[in-house]
Amino acid sequence: QQQVKQSPQSLIVQKGGISIINCAYENTAFDYFPWYQQFPGKGPALLIAIRPDVSEKKEGRFTISFNKSAKQFSLHIMDSQPGDSATYFCAASMEGSQGNLIFGKGTKLSVKP
Amino acid sequence: KAGVTQTPRYLIKTRGQQVTLSCSPISGHRSVSWYQQTPGQGLQFLFEYFSETQRNKGNFPGRFSGRQFSNSRSEMNVSTLELGDSALYLCASSPTPSGELFFGEGSRLTVL
Repeated sequence: QQQVKQSPQSLIVQKGGISIINCAYENTAFDYFPWYQQFPGKGPALLIAIRPDVSEKKEGRFTISFNKSAKQFSLHIMDSQPGDSATYFCAASMEGSQGNLIFGKGTKLSVKP
Repeated sequence: KAGVTQTPRYLIKTRGQQVTLSCSPISGHRSVSWYQQTPGQGLQFLFEYFSETQRNKGNFPGRFSGRQFSNSRSEMNVSTLELGDSALYLCASSPTPSGELFFGEGSRLTVL
């Protein structure tokens, strides 16, 4: 039973373009929604996170949009750069248990120069 | 500040053997979580420890076990290895169970 569904599996974007990755969750008890970035040979690194009390959070070129009623959230990467090429994972966890993350399957992003 | 350190980074075992992986969290972090990463199943939660107590356990067989020591260092053990246990095992630490997770680079286990 996959509790967090992520799409697309892979994404190719031109340099300067907008990368959009979507996730949907099932468990309404989730209250923490982070996005992780992983480069080959490295562990995942937290990019940005949001809680259900806000609909959008922006940090630099990265924005999370959150739709509580639809149980969906998305990552937007503005002005995508070749250095952004990595695998991105959305995740969710319940209150007080951020060590127990349910991850999406990941999106491999390639930004072409 | 040093990051999460996992040892060994790479290891090869044969079916039926057992393996112990070690994780040293970031200094001051008392919460440690373990994840298994495979191409097919992605990132799956194994365990979460805080102050030497297991808080949560993922849906893995009893062959997978772990523990946390008083200095917050953690180990996980897999007994009677199977081919399907080949994976990258990631450790992550945070100051508390409600804190941001910082991942190590993982221990890559190959079972032959």
